[in-house]
Amino acid sequence: GAVVSQHPSWVICKSGTSVKIECRSLDFQATTMFWYRQFPKQSLMLMATSNEGSKATYEQGVEKDKFLINHASLTLSTLTVTSAHPEDSSFYICSARTGLADTDTQYFGPGTRLTVL
Amino acid sequence: GQNIDQPTEMTATEGAIVQINCTYQTSGFNGLFWYQQHAGEAPTFLSYNVLDGLEEKGRFSSFLSRSKGYSYLLLKELQMKDSASYLCAAMDSNYQLIWGAGTKLIIKP
Repeated sequence: GAVVSQHPSWVICKSGTSVKIECRSLDFQATTMFWYRQFPKQSLMLMATSNEGSKATYEQGVEKDKFLINHASLTLSTLTVTSAHPEDSSFYICSARTGLADTDTQYFGPGTRLTVL
Repeated sequence: GQNIDQPTEMTATEGAIVQINCTYQTSGFNGLFWYQQHAGEAPTFLSYNVLDGLEEKGRFSSFLSRSKGYSYLLLKELQMKDSASYLCAAMDSNYQLIWGAGTKLIIKP
C-alpha cells in the first residue's frame, strides 16, 4: 500500500519550454501532496504544499507563476515548470500524505529528473 | 531557528551494526521521521517516532528522546544494499518537516 507514482521519470527539454510532471497516489486518496526539489548532494527542499481543490501554498523564494501546481483530484497533482531555464534542472520529487492528520506519513514518488538545455 | 544535525558520512562493515544520530531543534515538535534514499532515487519511509523510546522494525530500529532533542537510527546485520543516504526529518508545530542534510552510509565488505 501507499504507492505514489510520478511521470515522466526523466525529461530533457529546451530552454523556454514548459514541462508538466504528474504525481499520482495509486492506492489511496491524498488530500495533501508535496512538491520537493533536490540538487545533487543536497537535502530535499520543499517547494509547495498542494491541497486538493484549493490553491497550493508555496515556500518562500519559490515563484508560483513559474511553478504551477494543480491538485485536481484526490489522486493527482501536477507541477508545471513554465519557461524552463538551465538553472531549473533538478530532481523533482512529489510526496503524498496518506491520511488527514498532519502527522501522517508522507510517501514519495520515484522522482522526475529534469534537464533543461 | 530550526535545525537538524546529522553526520555527513559514515562507514561500516557488512554484517555489523551502525547507529546514525540526529539532533534537532524545532519550534514545537510533532514527531521525527527517518527516510532512506539511494543515489538517484526518491526517499523511502523507514520510521516515525513521536513518543520517547525505541521502535523496532526488523533490522532497523529508531529511538527518540524528546527531552534531549535526539534520535538515532540503528541498522543491524548490515547488507551491501543498505548503502544509501539516511535522512532525518523533524515535524514542527506547523506540521512542517524540517529536513537534515542526510548521512551517507558506506558499507564495506
